[in-house]
Amino acid sequence: DQQVKQNSPSLSVQEGRISILNCDYTNSMFDYFLWYKKYPAEGPTFLISISSIKDKNEDGRFTVFLNKSAKHLSLHIVPSQPGDSAVYFCAASGTGGGNKLTFGTGTQLKVEL
Amino acid sequence: SQTIHQWPATLVQPVGSPLSLECTVEGTSNPNLYWYRQAAGRGLQLLFYSIGIDQISSEVPQNLSASRPQDRQFILSSKKLLLSDSGFYLCAWSVRGHGANVLTFGAGSRLTVL
Repeated sequence: DQQVKQNSPSLSVQEGRISILNCDYTNSMFDYFLWYKKYPAEGPTFLISISSIKDKNEDGRFTVFLNKSAKHLSLHIVPSQPGDSAVYFCAASGTGGGNKLTFGTGTQLKVEL
Repeated sequence: SQTIHQWPATLVQPVGSPLSLECTVEGTSNPNLYWYRQAAGRGLQLLFYSIGIDQISSEVPQNLSASRPQDRQFILSSKKLLLSDSGFYLCAWSVRGHGANVLTFGAGSRLTVL
């Protein structure tokens, strides 16, 4: 059972425009959500997070929005840059011990010149 | 500052051979430790996590095992590799304790089983 879903395996955006990456979850016990960015042959790096008590968190060009009623979150990147091209993973935590993260399957973002 | 090291970076092994991937964390004490796997075209799957020495939980039944012989050392092993064990293995650590926090990942180990 895939508790965290990223239904778009890929996204192509022009440089300077907005990139919107989406993520849905099914487990209502999740209370913390994170986005990670991953380049090929490297480990994922943390990008931004949001607690379930908030609906928006912003850090520079990156903003994460959380809609708890819809069990949906999104990552906005504005403006998009070629260096943003990577795989983006949505992750959630809050169930069980050990601060485990449950990851989505990832979205490959390509920012074109 | 904290750092996480993972090795080897790349490994090609025949079916039926043993496996040992190692991970160490520096600059922190009592971390939570994790092993994830990214199979081709798939997301990150949690394999094992550990909240302390000799305290390891397995998330999915599989051909692999994990051990934590020291506080900041986490080892992923197999006695006999299967083709399906191929993938990109990632070690990660987080601050121990309740509540949400960020996992920091190592650079990963690419395993190809032939």
